[in-house]
Amino acid sequence: GNSVTQMEGPVTLSEEAFLTINCTYTATGYPSLFWYVQYPGEGLQLLLKATKADDKGSNKGFEATYRKETTSFHLEKGSVQVSDSAVYFCALSDSNSGNTPLVFGKGTRLSVIA
Amino acid sequence: DSGVTQTPKHLITATGQRVTLRCSPRSGDLSVYWYQQSLDQGLQFLIQYYNGEERAKGNILERFSAQQFPDLHSELNLSSLELGDSALYFCASSVVTGHTEAFFGQGTRLTVV
Repeated sequence: GNSVTQMEGPVTLSEEAFLTINCTYTATGYPSLFWYVQYPGEGLQLLLKATKADDKGSNKGFEATYRKETTSFHLEKGSVQVSDSAVYFCALSDSNSGNTPLVFGKGTRLSVIA
Repeated sequence: DSGVTQTPKHLITATGQRVTLRCSPRSGDLSVYWYQQSLDQGLQFLIQYYNGEERAKGNILERFSAQQFPDLHSELNLSSLELGDSALYFCASSVVTGHTEAFFGQGTRLTVV
């Protein structure tokens, strides 16, 4: 079955540090890949997405590249801010199975300190 | 604002009781998904509806049920509640099934005492 594995948190960084959150996936078909972010007390928001191999999704300074050869979709940001403190979820949607919902990783909590 | 509305935002109830959580999807979205988020289990998919019909089932207990109405809003019914059912329950919606992002509501925080 489909699954997503992301690095365990929590991750604590100083402001302006470089961020990487690792995400790898297992899928039977050709999935679309997503990163969602959940700020404290809120629902999940789509951060970025990529729908095919070698696509790069980007938003708000965050980037992730769909790597089919390594089945990975790592999230990166060059300089984090305190306002980036949140829980980040990697997810996939498998296009070969039209009825499947998003499959999520367990989430990685990021804390950025000033 | 994602456009997905969930009510109520908070719910406190006793063990053994039954509650109903409501979700209004984004305008035009036909698919509704329910997820449970607890501290130790992460985000667990419960059930999906598409245009009024059940499309996929995840880790949903027999004590839980859901439906999607003709106006596309959905309700999640939780009965014989146990302490372990305390969690955040999210509804999400999308235009079509599969291969697309979903938009999430703010969630209902259920506390069973």
